[in-house]
Amino acid sequence: KQEVTQIPAALSVPEGENLVLNCSFTDSAIYNLQWFRQDPGKGLTSLLLIQSSQREQTSGRLNASLDKSSGRSTLYIAASQPGDSATYLCAVMDSSYKLIFGSGTRLLVRP
Amino acid sequence: DVKVTQSSRYLVKRTGEKVFLECVQDMDHENMFWYRQDPGLGLRLIYFSYDVKMKEKGDIPEGYSVSREKKERFSLILESASTNQTSMYLCASSLEWLPNTEAFFGQGTRLTVV
Repeated sequence: KQEVTQIPAALSVPEGENLVLNCSFTDSAIYNLQWFRQDPGKGLTSLLLIQSSQREQTSGRLNASLDKSSGRSTLYIAASQPGDSATYLCAVMDSSYKLIFGSGTRLLVRP
Repeated sequence: DVKVTQSSRYLVKRTGEKVFLECVQDMDHENMFWYRQDPGLGLRLIYFSYDVKMKEKGDIPEGYSVSREKKERFSLILESASTNQTSMYLCASSLEWLPNTEAFFGQGTRLTVV
């Protein structure tokens, strides 16, 4: 059964730092991996999608990498800002086309 | 812009009531999903549908049913609400069963059962 783990569970950094969020999954038979952002009490906003054949995707200050063979993905946020404070979730699409989510990393960027 | 709209942001219902949570998407997506999100448990899939009138059980379907009479609308039904169904409910949709398909989520419905 596919399991997705995110480390750390919470992270607090000063504004301007570059940071890395980690996601690992147990079964490498995935179609894609998606990173989401969730603000308190709100729904999920899609940030980046990496197909299984890809190694990375970039959007603005965000860069996501995927190493399918080792079951790992990282989300790199450059020059963090207070507005980046949110919970970040990763999800893998498994062989039955379902999304399996990690528990998320709560990020606080201090001014 | 893809839009997934959930009918209510907040709901308070009594134990034993029949509860309907509605979700509508405006992008002609084939697939629709219902998740619940609880602290420490993350998002768990309740039901999903890959076509009109089609439904599949997710990981935690007990106590729930769904209806998809039209492509754009996917309803989650709590037949007899119980306090352990107090949760945040999230609806999502995606285009079709392809590896590069992106999932889009609604704003969520915070349901409290008293």
